[in-house]
Amino acid sequence: GQQVMQIPQYQHVQEGEDFTTYCNSSTTLSNIQWYKQRPGGHPVFLIQLVKSGEVKKQKRLTFQFGEAKKNSSLHITATQTTDVGTYFCAGNSGNTGKLIFGQGTTLQVKP
Amino acid sequence: KAGVTQTPRYLIKTRGQQVTLSCSPISGHRSVSWYQQTPGQGLQFLFEYFSETQRNKGNFPGRFSGRQFSNSRSEMNVSTLELGDSALYLCASSLAQGANEQFFGPGTRLTVL
Repeated sequence: GQQVMQIPQYQHVQEGEDFTTYCNSSTTLSNIQWYKQRPGGHPVFLIQLVKSGEVKKQKRLTFQFGEAKKNSSLHITATQTTDVGTYFCAGNSGNTGKLIFGQGTTLQVKP
Repeated sequence: KAGVTQTPRYLIKTRGQQVTLSCSPISGHRSVSWYQQTPGQGLQFLFEYFSETQRNKGNFPGRFSGRQFSNSRSEMNVSTLELGDSALYLCASSLAQGANEQFFGPGTRLTVL
């Protein structure tokens, strides 16, 4: 079945450093979504990418969807302590209606 | 608008018991999906309900079931609980059916002893 792999599993950075998490699917995706879950909280929707090669920015966050629509990345520029949490990608393959989540990347930011 | 609400927030059960979890979606949202979150397996899709009908199902045993009412509220039931069912159960609502933007509730933390 469809699998979505996410790396790295954990990342510790110094405040001000950049951070990137990568997401790879075993199948071509119809779209990919990104969520953030703060410690003790629930996942919160960040963005959805639909088009091949799409790049979207939200302030310090840059999201990319690969040309083959099988991979995606989230890059945070100049991390802040408020960026702490687990970032999940979630893909939908073949419009099955099921979102398959990656394992998540947990980001720790040292002040 | 009020967010997604889930009750109860915490639950402790013993093996063999059954449990029912409740979810109230955001007003106007007709799709409700359920997810199981564990440290080892991550976020796994259980099922989705839309207009009182199960539209999609994940790879979970038949002990996991759900339903949706005419007001879009949903319940999830787990029968014959096993230790491995200990998890955070998250409900998410969406405007439309399918893998759209999910609005998650705070979750129900289930512990099976």
